[in-house]
Amino acid sequence: QVRLQESGPGLVKPSETLSLTCTVSGGSISAYYWSWIRQTPGKGLEWIGYISYNGKTNYNPSFKSRVTISVDTSQSQFSLKLNFVTTADTAFYFCASSPPHLNGNTLRAAFDMWGQGTLVTVSS
Amino acid sequence: DIQMTQSPSSLSASVGDSVTITCRASQDIYVYCNWYQQKPGKAPKLLIYNANNLQSGVPLDFSGSGSGTDFTLTISSLQPEDFATYYCQQSYSTPQTFGQGTRVDIK
Repeated sequence: QVRLQESGPGLVKPSETLSLTCTVSGGSISAYYWSWIRQTPGKGLEWIGYISYNGKTNYNPSFKSRVTISVDTSQSQFSLKLNFVTTADTAFYFCASSPPHLNGNTLRAAFDMWGQGTLVTVSS
Repeated sequence: DIQMTQSPSSLSASVGDSVTITCRASQDIYVYCNWYQQKPGKAPKLLIYNANNLQSGVPLDFSGSGSGTDFTLTISSLQPEDFATYYCQQSYSTPQTFGQGTRVDIK
């Protein structure tokens, strides 16, 4: 069974870059789509963006100017970078997978597997 | 963005009760509504995808229905492990969006 595990700093200073990695084990990183999702008490669950196994990305416009998602298939990992963070970016961050159910260029698939999540606090 | 509005925001029920949660999309999403269960300190878990398809391993007590803008999640007989928060999510278009959640607790 595929397992996802987030890793990265739990504390980031305002205006700096939040960097997280998700390691995929128990299955191939190829042929799936990989997302980052965050959860806050105020805004609930927010999809940040996804990347395909071959590097195609789609970002939530709310984050688009600050976010980069990349994939390293050799390491079975994908990563999130969120620039210029503020205290509003304090959240639990989850990585998740979706099967490659596409309609044209649009991914129309649920998030079938999730990492356990990691809390990132933005504070000086 | 497509808004997903759940109701109720919370409910109290007893073991064995049947429970229905509704989700309304702000525009037609055809069948692209998914349901998740989340317990405190845990990640969401996929229950139902594409409106009415039961995810592998999920008990048959869970079912989903609907199309267009109106969707429901039904738990036919609440078990102790079902007390949790439930979310709907649309995967019709990006950005994919979630409902605000429905908390199910013990009466």
